Amino acid sequence: QQQVRQSPQSLTVWEGETAILNCSYENSAFDYFPWYQQFPGEGPALLISILSVSNKKEDGRFTIFFNKREKKLSLHIADSQPGDSATYFCAASEGGSNAKLTFGKGTKLSVKS
Amino acid sequence: NAGVIQTPRHKVTGKGQEATLWCEPISGHSAVFWYRQTIVQGLEFLTYFRNQAPIDDSGMPKERFSAQMPNQSHSTLKIQSTQPQDSAVYLCASSLMGGGEQYFGPGTRLTVL
Repeated sequence: QQQVRQSPQSLTVWEGETAILNCSYENSAFDYFPWYQQFPGEGPALLISILSVSNKKEDGRFTIFFNKREKKLSLHIADSQPGDSATYFCAASEGGSNAKLTFGKGTKLSVKS
Repeated sequence: NAGVIQTPRHKVTGKGQEATLWCEPISGHSAVFWYRQTIVQGLEFLTYFRNQAPIDDSGMPKERFSAQMPNQSHSTLKIQSTQPQDSAVYLCASSLMGGGEQYFGPGTRLTVL
């Protein structure tokens, strides 16, 4: 049973558009949700994260919207650039001493110019 | 400030041989995590150390896999009698105290022939 699910598997947007990547989870004990960006041949890079006590987190062009009741979150990438083309992973952890991350399968984003 | 360092970047072994993967966490980080990434399974947690002590090895295969953290500056993941299904990218991450932000290294791509 997959504890963290992402959709869509792949997404193509035009330069300047807002890309919306979705994530949902099963475990109510999850309280920390980071998003990672990964380019081919590299390790995942932490992009932005949110704690379950918040419903929104912004960092530049990247915004997380979080709905605890529905166990859903989304990553919005505003003014998408070709350099944003990468695979994005949603992850979750219970925090505290149980710090291991559970990852979704990723969304591959392509930004066309 | 160097990020997480993993060596080697690529390793090719024959079936039945041993593979040792090295990780140097970010200086000052007390927690080290190991993950495995494959196309089919995605990113999977293997094991986690905090202050060099093993905290959670729930993701480690019961046989042939072992991990150690002999000092605060490096951790090793050893795979004995490697099998083709062990082929994957092995990722190491470190964090300041365990919970919260994890920073990944570039990974070691292990290929078992």
